[in-house]
Formats: sequence, structure tokens, C-alpha cells
Amino acid sequence: QLQLQESGPGLVKPSETLSLTCTVSGGSISSSSYYWGWIRQPPGKGLEWIGTVYYTGSTYYNPSLKSRVTISIDTSKNQFSLKLSSVTAADTAVYYCARPTGARAFDFWGQGTLVTVSS
Amino acid sequence: DIQMTQSPSPLSASVGDRVTITCRASQSISSSLNWYQQKPGKAPKLLIYAASSLQSGVSSRFSGSGSGTDFTLTISSLQPEDSAIYYCQQSYSTPLTFGGGTEVEIK
Repeated sequence: QLQLQESGPGLVKPSETLSLTCTVSGGSISSSSYYWGWIRQPPGKGLEWIGTVYYTGSTYYNPSLKSRVTISIDTSKNQFSLKLSSVTAADTAVYYCARPTGARAFDFWGQGTLVTVSS
Repeated sequence: DIQMTQSPSPLSASVGDRVTITCRASQSISSSLNWYQQKPGKAPKLLIYAASSLQSGVSSRFSGSGSGTDFTLTISSLQPEDSAIYYCQQSYSTPLTFGGGTEVEIK
């Protein structure tokens, strides 16, 4: 069974860079059939797609975040990562890693990790 | 960006009721519509993909329909464990976008 697990700091200072890693187990991140993605959810609010990466390294980002986001993949470690620069309090959210299917429906999710932006 | 609008919210119904949640897209998205269930403190769970296909392992109480701009998620007989927030998501074009959610409460 495929499992995804987010890891990274739970507290980031304003103007700094948020960095998270998603470790995939139970399957290869290099499978040619799948992309890998990040989604976030501010406390008490709805879901926002951040971006998606293919095993080749090709990326797709939400234009609202594109200038600040980098998603990368490390096939040797079966991991993919998110970096969000110049964070503000508005970036406080639960960050999920997830796998989108060919229909771009997210069928496997990590448990989520809360990242708070505060000094 | 394609805007997704859900109604109603919240929705209060009794055990055994047939419940329908509506999602409307700001432009035609063909059948590129997915539904999720989210319980407190948990990640969303995929219920329906491509508007009407039931995800493996999901109860057959859940069904989806629609195409173009108007979509529905139906719970045929509401159960206590169905208390949750339900989100629609369009996968027609990037940026992928979600509806604001419909909270289903059990009376």
C-alpha cells in the first residue's frame, strides 16, 4: 500500500523559506504513470493546490504562488520536496503531499503537517 | 482560473436521508470533476473521480453525476460516519481548484 509522509519544521519565521519533504513508501516515485503534488489548507479553510512534479523533474505550479515555489524530486531517496520562499502569516497552513492520478484526482495523501509562520 | 462553487453549506440531514451536494464550475470542465470527504484532523479522501467513477474501496452509498458546469454528489442513505466536509475539485485545467466545501451534519 502506497504511503506518503511529510516532514519538516513546524515553525518558520516571516520572510524565511518553508521547506518540506514527502517520503514515499510502498511504491517507486519513478513510476512513469504518476505525478506527485503539494496541497495546503489554512486552519478552518479550504484546499489550495500548490503544484505538481513528474519523476523527470517537470513541474506545474499554481500561478498565485509560482514566484515563490519550487518543487523538486529525488528519485534516489523516493522523496519529493517543497520550498516556499518569503513566507508570511498567510502561508500558515496544513501542508499535504499527495499523488494525482491520470485524471488528476488525488488518491493517496500524506497525513499533513501544520506549518506556522510566526516570529 | 476556474472557480468552483458548492452548495448548500452547511447541510443538516437525518440518518437514512438521501443527500445531494451541488458543485458548479465557472466554465465548462467536461467530466473533469472529483469529490473528496474530509473528517476533522484528517487528510481528504477521494470518493468520486471523473464526475461519476467510484474510487476503489468507497461505499456504494456515494455516487456522482454531471458534466459541463453542474455536478452533484449524492449519498443515498446518510450514515453517522458520513458527517464530514465534502469538497469538489476540477481537474480540467491548471491551476487545479477546489470548491469551498460543504459541511454535512447529522441531525
